[in-house]
Amino acid sequence: KAGVTQTPRYLIKTRGQQVTLSCSPISGHRSVSWYQQTPGQGLQFLFEYFSETQRNKGNFPGRFSGRQFSNSRSEMNVSTLELGDSALYLCASSSNLDSFVGNTIYFGEGSWLTVV
Amino acid sequence: DQQVKQNSPSLSVQEGRISILNCDYTNSMFDYFLWYKKYPAEGPTFLISISSIKDKNEDGRFTVFLNKSAKHLSLHIVPSQPGDSAVYFCAASAWTYKYIFGTGTRLKVLA
Repeated sequence: KAGVTQTPRYLIKTRGQQVTLSCSPISGHRSVSWYQQTPGQGLQFLFEYFSETQRNKGNFPGRFSGRQFSNSRSEMNVSTLELGDSALYLCASSSNLDSFVGNTIYFGEGSWLTVV
Repeated sequence: DQQVKQNSPSLSVQEGRISILNCDYTNSMFDYFLWYKKYPAEGPTFLISISSIKDKNEDGRFTVFLNKSAKHLSLHIVPSQPGDSAVYFCAASAWTYKYIFGTGTRLKVLA
């Protein structure tokens, strides 16, 4: 069974540009969540989608957005990039149906974003 | 406000000995906990989970203990192996469709 796939793995953008990251969940998983990891900060929750609906959102500015498609694939977008947006962006999927509790989330390899 | 804390940024253990990684949380509503291992340049790999209705869960060399009254969980690795050297994250959830992660503990297993 293929794992969570994220593309691209590495990218460099200029301040002020925008970026779109893509995530394909494990087959059959309908929940996709996104996290940002910066050095010393652990993983910070961005948002979670289930059946194309955003169910929860973290404390990030509106420049960070996401969406989920009918095939459960997800994208996140960051507009007007800032130097502080340089981070590892991780996508995770879960097989939960109507309850999130007790569901393990499985991560992809991540997308390394560098803003210069 | 850091709801999930891993107060030890690093830990060194001799090969074959026990590694104990600790995690404290402040939100009494958390009822499901996960541990992940992360190598550099890779995504976190799921290790083991525990529900708040249990106080212990084992999977091979990994055991997680939960002390709800102390709001504390720990991951025991026995015996520790050099391949266990990685950063370990604990995470907690409380019916909000998101996990709160600690900042991680870097484990180094010395051969």
